[in-house]
Order: sequence, then structure tokens, then C-alpha cells
Amino acid sequence: GNSVTQMEGPVTLSEEAFLTINCTYTATGYPSLFWYVQYPGEGLQLLLKATKADDKGSNKGFEATYRKETTSFHLEKGSVQVSDSAVYFCALSAPNTNAGKSTFGDGTTLTVKP
Amino acid sequence: ETGVTQTPRHLVMGMTNKKSLKCEQHLGHNAMYWYKQSAKKPLELMFVYNFKEQTENNSVPSRFSPECPNSSHLFLHLHTLQPEDSALYLCASSQGSFYQETQYFGPGTRLLVL
Repeated sequence: GNSVTQMEGPVTLSEEAFLTINCTYTATGYPSLFWYVQYPGEGLQLLLKATKADDKGSNKGFEATYRKETTSFHLEKGSVQVSDSAVYFCALSAPNTNAGKSTFGDGTTLTVKP
Repeated sequence: ETGVTQTPRHLVMGMTNKKSLKCEQHLGHNAMYWYKQSAKKPLELMFVYNFKEQTENNSVPSRFSPECPNSSHLFLHLHTLQPEDSALYLCASSQGSFYQETQYFGPGTRLLVL
């Protein structure tokens, strides 16, 4: 079956530090890959996505590249801010499934200190 | 993103109570979903509706009863719940059910069963 493995948290960084949250996946075919973010007291919201190999998703300074050869979709940001403190979820959705059958990782909690 | 609203935001209920959670999406989407988010556990898909028809029931106990009167509204009726049902219940929607679709989440209802 499909699975997503995320880097375990929590992750604590100082403001302006470089962020990497690792995500690897197992799936048949060519899934679509997503990063969602959940701020305290809110639901999940899409941060970025990539739908085919070598695509790079980017948004708000965050980037992730769909690497088919390493089955990875690592999230990076060059300089984090306190406002980036949240829980980050990597997810995949495989062909021949509907969007709601996405497989989510366990989430990585990021805390950024001033 | 405030396109998906959920009420109430917080709910405390006894095991013999009956209550309902409401979700409304203002995005013109055709697919809607219920998820359960518990501490220390991955996001769990509960139900999927596509054009008001239920297309997925992920082995959810019958004490949870969904209702989708139209493409904009989704309810989750609760009765005789157990303390282990305490969790954050998230509603989501997407334009369609294609696997590359982005899901838009509401803020969730925090449920506590006493």
C-alpha cells in the first residue's frame, strides 16, 4: 500500500535558520505529492504541491522537489520566521484513487524561536 | 483560506448525548470529506461525498452518521460516543475527486466526550 514517512519532530530552530523536513514515500505509479501546514487552532491548508517527477512546488519561501529516483519530497526554507511555527504534513495521492484517499504523514511540529 | 467553515468549534458531550457537527463550503466544490485527527495518530479519513453521494466509508462505527443534503453542506451526526472518540474533526472539500486535487480544510471541531 501507499505510505508516507516524515522526519520525526519536534524541530526547534532559531529565527533565520535553514529548515529541512524530510519526507519519503512509497506508492505505485506516479502519485501527486503535497505539503500541508496546520497553524495552532486551525485546519490544514495547502502549502505547496507537485504532480509529476522533477516538479518543484514553492510558496511563501518554502520549496520541495518531487524526486522519483529517491521517492522523496523534502520541504526546505532558507530563513524561517517565528510565524512559520506550525505542524507540517507531507501527503500523497495516488492515481486511480480520489483526492480524499490521500495518505498523510504523521506531521512534524516546527517551533521557531526569536 | 476561510472557504470552509465548521460549527461548533468546540463541543463537550456525554456518552448518551446526540449532537451534530456542521460543515459548509463556499468554494463551489463537488467533493466533501470528514477526517478525524487524534493526538499522536495520523489523519484518518472517515467519509467521502462526491456530488452528494457517499463514495467512501472508511470502516467508521455506526455511532457516526454523515449526511450531505447538497454539495455545499456536510453534517456528522453523533450519538452514544465513547471517550476515545474525543478528537479534532476536520471537514474538507475539493473541486472534484481527482487525485491531483487540492483539499481545502475547515478549522475543525474540537470534540470532548465525557
